[in-house]
Amino acid sequence: ETGVTQSPTHLIKTRGQQVTLRCSSQSGHNTVSWYQQALGQGPQFIFQYYREEENGRGNFPPRFSGLQFPNYSSELNVNALELDDSALYLCASSLRGVEQPQHFGDGTRLSIL
Amino acid sequence: GENVEQHPSTLSVQEGDSAVIKCTYSDSASNYFPWYKQELGKGPQLIIDIRSNVGEKKDQRIAVTLNKTAKHFSLHITETQPEDSAVYFCAARDRGSTLGRLYFGRGTQLTVWP
Repeated sequence: ETGVTQSPTHLIKTRGQQVTLRCSSQSGHNTVSWYQQALGQGPQFIFQYYREEENGRGNFPPRFSGLQFPNYSSELNVNALELDDSALYLCASSLRGVEQPQHFGDGTRLSIL
Repeated sequence: GENVEQHPSTLSVQEGDSAVIKCTYSDSASNYFPWYKQELGKGPQLIIDIRSNVGEKKDQRIAVTLNKTAKHFSLHITETQPEDSAVYFCAARDRGSTLGRLYFGRGTQLTVWP
């Protein structure tokens, strides 16, 4: 069984640029959630995708957007990068359902200069 | 929305001792409570979870207890080993959320000294 994989592992960008992060869900999982983890903090929910549609969003601006593909993999796009966007971005996959456990990848460390 | 508080922020124990991490939540509708272990440079790894219809769950050296009335839940690690050293996060998810959105605590840095 293949776990959640994310790419790239590290990324350095400058303010105002755009970035795309990628996630392959665990085999058999149809739902992908994205989280932002600032240094020394717990993960914060960005949004979730199910059946290729955004299925809810946390307190993040519209410049954070995403996609889910028919094979359940997903992308997170961030436009107009700001210094505060520097964080670890985590993808979690699960089966659809309130009580289904979420399994995380190792994340993409994004640094904004 | 849900608010999860976690204590302590750091915890140091001697190998073989027990470690306890406590969390409280604010939304009485929350019904699923996972615990994650995060090692340096890795993503959070699910180690145990509990649902609101259960008061306690155990898996080898790890146990979780839930008090719905007081809205708090705890992680207990017995016979700690140096490889238990990591950051531990508690989380909560509310019954009304079809998203399965998790609300996390701020984490506990556990250090186990040999």
